[in-house]
Amino acid sequence: DTAVSQTPKYLVTQMGNDKSIKCEQNLGHDTMYWYKQDSKKFLKIMFSYNNKELIINETVPNRFSPKSPDKAHLNLHINSLELGDSAVYFCASSRGQENEQYFGPGTRLTVT
Amino acid sequence: AQSVTQPDIHITVSEGASLELRCNYSYGATPYLFWYVQSPGQGLQLLLKYFSGDTLVQGIKGFEAEFKRSQSSFNLRKPSVHWSDAAEYFCAVSGGGADGLTFGKGTHLIIQP
Repeated sequence: DTAVSQTPKYLVTQMGNDKSIKCEQNLGHDTMYWYKQDSKKFLKIMFSYNNKELIINETVPNRFSPKSPDKAHLNLHINSLELGDSAVYFCASSRGQENEQYFGPGTRLTVT
Repeated sequence: AQSVTQPDIHITVSEGASLELRCNYSYGATPYLFWYVQSPGQGLQLLLKYFSGDTLVQGIKGFEAEFKRSQSSFNLRKPSVHWSDAAEYFCAVSGGGADGLTFGKGTHLIIQP
């Protein structure tokens, strides 16, 4: 049983396109996150959702829009993709105050 | 603002030798501290965590870490490394709740035979 899953695993697209990445967790957690890992492997928080409510929205272009249809899902939609959006995007989830986060396998986005 | 410093970008250790990876953090209150490991092409796996209590915490795969408030450090240790420990190691801090993790830049561990 996969705890945190993401689809697709790889995504290759052209500049200007719109794409979505899906994330699902079956851990019963109430908070979900999106992180971006750049080519130097630096990880940075993008968004945090708690019980379907946006909690954190770091300095991310508004071309990125998270959507949480329910507590088990957090999708990331990206409009007008740019070369600089190429990265690995990780979804994570946690529960409670201790913030112990479990990560998905990542989605490698390549924009050409 | 919180931050994490991992001073060593790369570390090379012989198989069977001991390991210590350094992590220093900056946080205004009591931090929640984590170590994650990332193997090539994989996601992040939680090795261990510190929330409160005993400052020496044990994790998976034989790893341990010690929280030292006076030094703002949370160094990761393993008494004897195995070739399968070769990976990228990330230290992270958060304020708990729905706070995002702030990661260090990672330490790339190389194991030589």
